[in-house]
Amino acid sequence: ILNVEQSPQSLHVQEGDSTNFTCSFPSSNFYALHWYRWETAKSPEALFVMTLNGDEKKKGRISATLNTKEGYSYLYIKGSQPEDSATYLCAPGGDSGGYQKVTFGIGTKLQVIP
Amino acid sequence: DVKVTQSSRYLVKRTGEKVFLECVQDMDHENMFWYRQDPGLGLRLIYFSYDVKMKEKGDIPEGYSVSREKKERFSLILESASTNQTSMYLCASRVGGARSYEQYFGPGTRLTVT
Repeated sequence: ILNVEQSPQSLHVQEGDSTNFTCSFPSSNFYALHWYRWETAKSPEALFVMTLNGDEKKKGRISATLNTKEGYSYLYIKGSQPEDSATYLCAPGGDSGGYQKVTFGIGTKLQVIP
Repeated sequence: DVKVTQSSRYLVKRTGEKVFLECVQDMDHENMFWYRQDPGLGLRLIYFSYDVKMKEKGDIPEGYSVSREKKERFSLILESASTNQTSMYLCASRVGGARSYEQYFGPGTRLTVT
């Protein structure tokens, strides 16, 4: 099982503030990193999948970067809005005996205060 | 629009009962997964299936079994439910062949075992 750490575990920001959070994972046997957003009472939805060191992805006000050599990814939200309130999960995929699986972190729970 | 459905949103069962959780996807995906989500632990993989009648144990398979007789349907079976299996259960599906593909999640089943 990959050891995946996300920080902080929770965070409250004011509407309009920008924020970022971190996902750390073992850099060996890395294959891909997924970010998911999980809103309350809904299903987790994929935000980004990144595979290459230095990858940067963007979707609207949300962007992510990947450093596979040191084993971390950052997720940034610019100008947070109340609809950004959700738990953000990262899920690195490693080569674990051929399993086609990813390991999910505990998540960062974001609350945007209007 | 892609869709993963789960048979129940909420379920209450008694200790010792045999419980079936059903998941259906309409995307012709090869891979299907069952996770449980508990506070402070994140999503943990119970079992996954990479094709019809094929299955692999995940990280916490004890007390569970699965069945995949048709490509679109993946069932999770609790042979003899216990209180420590009270949890949120999520099903997911994915295109086969690469860990870099995103997973599509169902809405979850909140199971309470009394």
